[in-house]
Amino acid sequence: DAKTTQPNSMESNEEEPVHLPCNHSTISGTDYIHWYRQLPSQGPEYVIHGLTSNVNNRMASLAIAEDRKSSTLILHRATLRDAAVYYCILLSTGNQFYFGTGTSLTVIP
Amino acid sequence: EPEVTQTPSHQVTQMGQEVILRCVPISNHLYFYWYRQILGQKVEFLVSFYNNEISEKSEIFDDQFSVERPDGSNFTLKIRSTKLEDSAMYFCASSGGGSSYNEQFFGPGTRLTVL
Repeated sequence: DAKTTQPNSMESNEEEPVHLPCNHSTISGTDYIHWYRQLPSQGPEYVIHGLTSNVNNRMASLAIAEDRKSSTLILHRATLRDAAVYYCILLSTGNQFYFGTGTSLTVIP
Repeated sequence: EPEVTQTPSHQVTQMGQEVILRCVPISNHLYFYWYRQILGQKVEFLVSFYNNEISEKSEIFDDQFSVERPDGSNFTLKIRSTKLEDSAMYFCASSGGGSSYNEQFFGPGTRLTVL
């Protein structure tokens, strides 16, 4: 399974942008970069995914480094509801998701 | 908005008993998955299922586990003889056709407690 490295925890003030980093230096050319989050006592929830280009959706933006060895999930205005564990996952051929320990995001009112 | 549902929400069983966890994936999805999360630990992949057969499974998914899609809507995980260490949240997920890289939609989970 391809490895990702994320900080264990981060804090953000409410209504401010949050940049959640992920390193994946061993990424291969066909690996997609997926981000999921898990709110307390819930199942994981899809946030965004991309391959090479930056991606935007209604929840977040994904900035992918040119060499693809790192990516950043950007929440444009953090809300209390965004407090969760955020997982950066590489999806290779086949469809196994390997969840790491993720980044626990605390949003401060 | 369509969603994945799971029943029961909480299952308590005695060690050695068989349990069946049930999931109803999103109706037009083609790929189905089971994951588990032991309390306080990370989410672990168990198995993926496509075209009525297992496409991948992890080393956790041993002979005690089996999956089935008995009809057009349900997707089940059976644990034949439960052990204490099987106590965990079990999540079902499904994803749409066209690509296995599509987003996976997760259900709310079944909490399995083995006594």
